[in-house]
Order: sequence, then C-alpha cells, then structure tokens
Amino acid sequence: AQSVSQHNHHVILSEAASLELGCNYSYGGTVNLFWYVQYPGQHLQLLLKYFSGDPLVKGIKGFEAEFIKSKFSFNLRKPSVQWSDTAEYFCAVNAAVSTGRRALTFGSGTRLQVQP
Amino acid sequence: GAGVSQSPSNKVTEKGKDVELRCDPISGHTALYWYRQSLGQGLEFLIYFQGNSAPDKSGLPSDRFSAERTGGSVSTLTIQRTQQEDSAVYLCASSPAGVTDTQYFGPGTRLTVL
Repeated sequence: AQSVSQHNHHVILSEAASLELGCNYSYGGTVNLFWYVQYPGQHLQLLLKYFSGDPLVKGIKGFEAEFIKSKFSFNLRKPSVQWSDTAEYFCAVNAAVSTGRRALTFGSGTRLQVQP
Repeated sequence: GAGVSQSPSNKVTEKGKDVELRCDPISGHTALYWYRQSLGQGLEFLIYFQGNSAPDKSGLPSDRFSAERTGGSVSTLTIQRTQQEDSAVYLCASSPAGVTDTQYFGPGTRLTVL
C-alpha cells in the first residue's frame, strides 16, 4: 500500500528565510509526485509535480522540489519565503501506470506560518 | 475556463439524515475523484470514476456512502444515515485520462452533522 510521510507538521519562519519541507513516500512501483498548497479559505492548488526526467522540478511562486529515488523523497524548497506563502502544504503520490492506483495518497500536511 | 464546482458549499444536517453532495468536473475531464478532509484523518480517498469503467470504491468507509456519475459528467456523493464522524470537508477533483495528468480540486462541501 502507498503511504506518504510529512515530518514537519507546523513550521514557523520569518520572511526571507529559506524553506525545506520533507516528504517521504512508500510505494512498490513507479510514481508520480505532487505538492499541493491550500491557502487560508481557498481550495487545493497544484504547486508542482514530477512525472519523469529531471529530478529537480520547478513550480509556481518560486517553489522547487527534488526527487531523490534512492531516498524515496520529494522535498519542497523555497530560497526566500514571503508572508503570502502562509498556507498548508500537502505532498501526494499516485501510480505512474494506468493499472495502478490513480487516486492520490496524501501526506498529513505541513502548516507553514510566515511571520512578517 | 471554469474549474471544478461543488454544491452546496456548506451543509448542516442532523444525525440520521441522508445528504447528497454534488460535483461538476471540468468539461472534458473523464476522471473524477471524491476525497474527504477531516481533522483527525487528513485527506482520504473515497471513490474514483474513469469513463465508463466500474468505479474504484475502495476508499468508501462504510456502506452508508455511495456515489454515482451520470452521463460521464456530474457526480453525486450520497451519505445515508449520517453520523457525527462524517463531519468533514468533501472534496471533488477531476483530471483528463492520462496517467501523468494533474487532478484539479473543487472548493469542497463542508458537512457538519449535529
């Protein structure tokens, strides 16, 4: 069965600090990896995704993530956070084949609070 | 274009009543998913529809939960004899058919069972 672990449940940073949110997954096959963000009062939005190719993926708003296959990790990074990055961040995975599990398995989420 | 829409946005019901939640996916998306988001359980998969194939119901927590998708478009999630533990935000997502396609989420329906 698939599982996703996000080790940081609540992160508080000051503006301009660097961010790294951890994500590890467990799945016995090829996966697609996603980071979604949920801003206060808004619905889930895609930040970035990895399907294949370059393991360093760039997304919206200056976010990037690196897929390290040997570590089953897909950590999210941003060099300098802004107050507007305050949100909850979810790592998710699904199978990269049509016969596999198409539904997303989500991590428990990381609540990021950026202080001005 | 229009995103995924869900109705109602909020639903308050009494324990034991039945509720129906509606999802309108993005036009042309053949895959439709229901998830729920609750404080204790995080984001959980409920059910998945893909075209005319039999739905994947493996995430439904009990037989009180059911869903249908009419005409390959609109979907309705029905919860019978609601319980307080059913209180959650029910999210719908849709995507095109490819294995690398992104799921796009709707705003959700917040269900409160009193």
